[in-house]
Amino acid sequence: GQNIDQPTEMTATEGAIVQINCTYQTSGFNGLFWYQQHAGEAPTFLSYNVLDGLEEKGRFSSFLSRSKGYSYLLLKELQMKDSASYLCAVVNNAGNMLTFGGGTRLMVKP
Amino acid sequence: NAGVTQTPKFQVLKTGQSMTLQCAQDMNHEYMSWYRQDPGMGLRLIHYSVGAGITDQGEVPNGYNVSRSTTEDFPLRLLSAAPSQTSVYFCASSSVGASTEAFFGQGTRLTVV
Repeated sequence: GQNIDQPTEMTATEGAIVQINCTYQTSGFNGLFWYQQHAGEAPTFLSYNVLDGLEEKGRFSSFLSRSKGYSYLLLKELQMKDSASYLCAVVNNAGNMLTFGGGTRLMVKP
Repeated sequence: NAGVTQTPKFQVLKTGQSMTLQCAQDMNHEYMSWYRQDPGMGLRLIHYSVGAGITDQGEVPNGYNVSRSTTEDFPLRLLSAAPSQTSVYFCASSSVGASTEAFFGQGTRLTVV
């Protein structure tokens, strides 16, 4: 089975940097996704990591350590529009199922 | 480009009623899936399909049926609605398997009374 943990809520200030952590214990692993979900809307893709290391995409970066079962999403130069839930999700070994964590609700304050 | 289209957006059912949530994608994706999202529990996989004619169970399949007669369509059927099935339902598709980016529909907010 899969067990995925991430903080329930975080608060940060506009212009700052925030790191959202995700830890997982899984019976198999074939990659980790981060999705963004604004209230009342559908999730949208942010990043995918399958190898260890940092993937950078504009203001957003995602890091993976497979040996530690750990990932983080780093958001730089926070904007008010970044207020949303951030969902960590792990792909199983067979690559046919995605398991989501409970999501981290990020509130950006002026 | 429509992407993933779900209907209806809102639905109220009485306990024991049945209904079908529709999902269609126009991206020629092989993989389609259904999730339910409940407060504090994230998205949970109900059923998925790796191609036309092939479906399989996810984490929480009880009370739901699916079929995949075409690449485009993946309807979710609630056989006999229960209050525990009150949730927001999302359909998603990705090109090949769960290791590729998923595109989600706009969701169906279902209330069972």
